Amino acid sequence: NAGVTQTPKFRILKIGQSMTLQCTQDMNHNYMYWYRQDPGMGLKLIYYSVGAGITDKGEVPNGYNVSRSTTEDFPLRLELAAPSQTSVYFCASSYKVPGTDTQYFGPGTRLTVL
Amino acid sequence: GEDVEQSLFLSVREGDSSVINCTYTDSSSTYLYWYKQEPGAGLQLLTYIFSNMDMKQDQRLTVLLNKKDKHLSLRIADTQTGDSAIYFCRGSGGYQKVTFGIGTKLQVIP
Repeated sequence: NAGVTQTPKFRILKIGQSMTLQCTQDMNHNYMYWYRQDPGMGLKLIYYSVGAGITDKGEVPNGYNVSRSTTEDFPLRLELAAPSQTSVYFCASSYKVPGTDTQYFGPGTRLTVL
Repeated sequence: GEDVEQSLFLSVREGDSSVINCTYTDSSSTYLYWYKQEPGAGLQLLTYIFSNMDMKQDQRLTVLLNKKDKHLSLRIADTQTGDSAIYFCRGSGGYQKVTFGIGTKLQVIP
C-alpha cells in the first residue's frame, strides 16, 4: 500500500511554461485535494474532488486546472507558470468528507518558477 | 475558510513537556485534528478529538478541547528531538473550507 504518491519531487520551470503535477492514491478514497504551501505559511486549498468526474475550486484556484478521470488519479495542471506559483504542492486524499475522516498526504512537489 | 490561529514558535528542552495551542472559529467542527510536518515532508495525522470530548490521551500526546473558548491544545510529554517539527491544528468545516493555519514550529533542544 503506497498511500498517496506525487511526481515529480522537484521541478524548475521558466515563466510561461506548462506542467502537470501527478497525484495517485491506492486507498480507493473518494475525496482528493490539492494544496499549496508557501514558505513559512500554512496550506491553502487549490482544488478538490469528491469523486471521478467531479471537481471544484478551493480557496486559491487561479492559474491551475484539474481533472479526475479515475478514482486513483488527480493531476494538477499549470498552464502559464508564474513566479507567484513557486511553492510546495501537496496532494491529499480521504475516504469521507473532512470532519468525519482524516486526510492522507503525499510527500509534496517542490516547484520553482524563474 | 475557517480561521485558525496558532503561536508561531515554541522551544523546549528534551524531556520537558510541550504545549501547543490553537484557537479556531468554526464552532460546527465535528472533529479537530492535529497534524505534524517534518522538514521536507507532507503532513501526517497525529491525533484528533471529537467535538463532544474534553480530553483525549494517546501515549505521549494529550489533546484538550475547550469548546466554549474554541481553544484546542496539544501536550507532548517527555518531548524528544524527533518531535521537532511544525504542528498544525485544523477544524472540520466542509471540504471547500478546509484550510490549515501557519502552524507552530516546535524546536527541541537536546
